[in-house]
Amino acid sequence: GQQLNQSPQSMFIQEGEDVSMNCTSSSIFNTWLWYKQEPGEGPVLLIALYKAGELTSNGRLTAQFGITRKDSFLNISASIPSDVGIYFCAGQLRGETSGSRLTFGEGTQLTVNP
Amino acid sequence: DGGITQSPKYLFRKEGQNVTLSCEQNLNHDAMYWYRQDPGQGLRLIYYSQIVNDFQKGDIAEGYSVSREKKESFPLTVTSAQKNPTAFYLCASYSSLQETQYFGPGTRLLVL
Repeated sequence: GQQLNQSPQSMFIQEGEDVSMNCTSSSIFNTWLWYKQEPGEGPVLLIALYKAGELTSNGRLTAQFGITRKDSFLNISASIPSDVGIYFCAGQLRGETSGSRLTFGEGTQLTVNP
Repeated sequence: DGGITQSPKYLFRKEGQNVTLSCEQNLNHDAMYWYRQDPGQGLRLIYYSQIVNDFQKGDIAEGYSVSREKKESFPLTVTSAQKNPTAFYLCASYSSLQETQYFGPGTRLLVL
């Protein structure tokens, strides 16, 4: 089946630093999604990407849909303590058999030291 | 408010007992999903339903059962056949307009 490799697994940074994480796939996707999960809560959608090459921002967050459709990255600029959490990428391949199923990466645990 | 609700927040199961986790959405979404999350790991798909009265197994369906009698509701039963049920369970629904899944707040299941 499809697999997503998300890296890094964890990051420990100082407040104010920029952060970058990425996901790569063995298969192409039509949609890439980035979620953030805080402890004990469900994932919250941050950014959705729909076209190869698309670059989308949401405040201090920027994400890109790779040209090959097999990868995506998420950047966080000027990190703050409330950025702490687990960030997940997810890819979607629409089709008759796959429907609306998502394939998730393993997550990147972000820790921000004040 | 529109959204996805899961109840209860915490659930305790005794050995050999079936328990049912509730998931309700008022977003008018057709598709709904159940995921399991273990500590430090990603999300694994248990079951999903793309339309009322129809559902499909995900990657780890053994020991679980679901029903989809109403569009708004997609309950998950963790049966006694699931030998390692302790986990965080997440329900989601899918917006075909935005091509994205939205998640509920989760239910943490613990075995006594």
